[in-house]
Amino acid sequence: DARVTQTPRDKVTEMGQEVTMRCQPILGHNTVFWYRQTMMQGLELLAYFRNRAPLDDSGMPKDRFSAEMPDATLATLKIQPSEPRDSAVYFCASGLDTSGDTQYFGPGTRLTVL
Amino acid sequence: AQSVTQLDSQVPVFEEAPVELRCNYSSSVSVYLFWYVQYPNQGLQLLLKYLSGSTLVKGINGFEAEFNKSQTSFHLRKPSVHISDTAEYFCAVSENTDKLIFGTGTRLQVFP
Repeated sequence: DARVTQTPRDKVTEMGQEVTMRCQPILGHNTVFWYRQTMMQGLELLAYFRNRAPLDDSGMPKDRFSAEMPDATLATLKIQPSEPRDSAVYFCASGLDTSGDTQYFGPGTRLTVL
Repeated sequence: AQSVTQLDSQVPVFEEAPVELRCNYSSSVSVYLFWYVQYPNQGLQLLLKYLSGSTLVKGINGFEAEFNKSQTSFHLRKPSVHISDTAEYFCAVSENTDKLIFGTGTRLQVFP
């Protein structure tokens, strides 16, 4: 049963620390999406990759967030330095680059910045 | 620009009652429409989607949705809900891309 995996599932850190979240997309999928979910803002698209190339990261705060795909099996989202307002659940999703295709979500990383 | 409106943030309902979760969208072109469900402490999973063809779409767990182009709506329905349907439901739209725009979600709470 193919699924998207994310690590860590939970992360508690102190303000100013670096945080790295990892995602393994479903094998064969060539698009990867990073979302952030909060009570106030709902589900926000942060970044979007196709064939490992970033296509859209307009939703991401550029000064502290960065997203990369070192290879086809790994996507990373990094926050440096982290701030309390970054506390949220971060989801990764993968799919095929076809209009109307389903996005398959991972279980999320719950980040708490103290 | 695309947008999705889910007017009801919460919908309480008793078990075995019917339910409708409303979704309206705005777009100037043809769209694809989706409903995703999020159970507590889990990621989203697809319930159903409309790409083309029949305007009545059937999904998993007994849910269905109807695409109404004139009303720009894609309401989700289930004739008889179960306790296990308690979850957050998200409507989403895409305009000929693989990017999705999500609504703010509707929390369905099913009571015994």
